[in-house]
Amino acid sequence: DGGITQSPKYLFRKEGQNVTLSCEQNLNHDAMYWYRQDPGQGLRLIYYSQIVNDFQKGDIAEGYSVSREKKESFPLTVTSAQKNPTAFYLCASQPSPGKYEQYFGPGTRLTVT
Amino acid sequence: GENVEQHPSTLSVQEGDSAVIKCTYSDSASNYFPWYKQELGKGPQLIIDIRSNVGEKKDQRIAVTLNKTAKHFSLHITETQPEDSAVYFCAAVLYTDKLIFGTGTRLQVFP
Repeated sequence: DGGITQSPKYLFRKEGQNVTLSCEQNLNHDAMYWYRQDPGQGLRLIYYSQIVNDFQKGDIAEGYSVSREKKESFPLTVTSAQKNPTAFYLCASQPSPGKYEQYFGPGTRLTVT
Repeated sequence: GENVEQHPSTLSVQEGDSAVIKCTYSDSASNYFPWYKQELGKGPQLIIDIRSNVGEKKDQRIAVTLNKTAKHFSLHITETQPEDSAVYFCAAVLYTDKLIFGTGTRLQVFP
């Protein structure tokens, strides 16, 4: 059963703690993306990776970090430097940089208090 | 900067009626325009897309039209059903190969 998985679905953290969100895909897609979604807003790009061991900042990268050590995995760390981390986080994958269809995971809702 | 504007932000229709959502984009080099449906608490689902060499594309009750000269594209849903109720996002790919999303349209279909 191919697809994109994100875990956990809900995550609660205290302010000042770093937290890592998981994203795994078995679609053999080259590119992976992290977006943030706030209530009533569109999706904003945090980081993306088009090949293993390489990634680029998106529009709102401050306070976040990523790694891409394996093709299947693209974890996102929300650091304590992110001033407003409570949001819905979405991971997506894309077959290759030139094929633009992106497929999304189910999302992780992070609440920081 | 480059952006995608989407209208309306909310849309209410009676079951069986048609619904139309419109988006405009600023990057004349954009050549790929997907539409996503997002149900509450879930990730967006790609429902239809169109490329710049095509003016219209249909898939059963949904269709997308593209006017490259005017830089706008639209989603048309015919014979709406309650299960069409969701938030719909348009997007456009920039010359940088990144997708830029509209702010979404909440569609409610009343029985």
